[in-house]
Amino acid sequence: GAGVSQTPSNKVTEKGKYVELRCDPISGHTALYWYRQSLGQGPEFLIYFQGTGAADDSGLPNDRFFAVRPEGSVSTLKIQRTERGDSAVYLCASSLSRDSTPGANVLTFGAGSRLTVL
Amino acid sequence: QKEVEQNSGPLSVPEGAIASLNCTYSDRVSQSFFWYRQYSGKSPELIMSIYSNGDKEDGRFTAQLNKASQYVSLLIRDSQPSDSATYLCAVRSGVRGNQGGKLIFGQGTELSVKP
Repeated sequence: GAGVSQTPSNKVTEKGKYVELRCDPISGHTALYWYRQSLGQGPEFLIYFQGTGAADDSGLPNDRFFAVRPEGSVSTLKIQRTERGDSAVYLCASSLSRDSTPGANVLTFGAGSRLTVL
Repeated sequence: QKEVEQNSGPLSVPEGAIASLNCTYSDRVSQSFFWYRQYSGKSPELIMSIYSNGDKEDGRFTAQLNKASQYVSLLIRDSQPSDSATYLCAVRSGVRGNQGGKLIFGQGTELSVKP
């Protein structure tokens, strides 16, 4: 697609429920990133993929969080047993590659998915 | 120590003035540095990237990089009310050779340009 598409734009759920957030990156972008942003804070790194594999998942806060990218394009962030502290805007971004060549690693962000856990 | 540090602000400047935004980072091997602008309720958008020591100019924006001091700055000349936003410094960290690395963001500096 022309831009990074994230769905849903808003999700309200109850504590303890399971949530999936979807990201469709820019066509041809091999690298995909998930961030979480709380009010007044910068984006907090969660995980990034190069192709189908998770190249770095060191930012996932605990084992309730999991992300997949089975075909190297669309990615899903999965949160189990949601807690109120999970409430945030979840941002997805993609880049042409993870190569450090100038320009290739510039991230383009989607509009985000706002998650509210009641 | 946070990996990327910025003053949270708010930084208030009058219209037409120069706004100066600063950022320090901890990973000495970082090679790629970015400034993103984020309007309230919107997602970050790239305004500048810089990879080499020195200055890089793009219109009213100038990014400055000093790898020895691990310092990046952004200057906005002739500031306009439409520049009012949060400015995020981002550094590519954990790079091995020419591959890999995740983009780490600072907490952002809120800029307010008063007419």
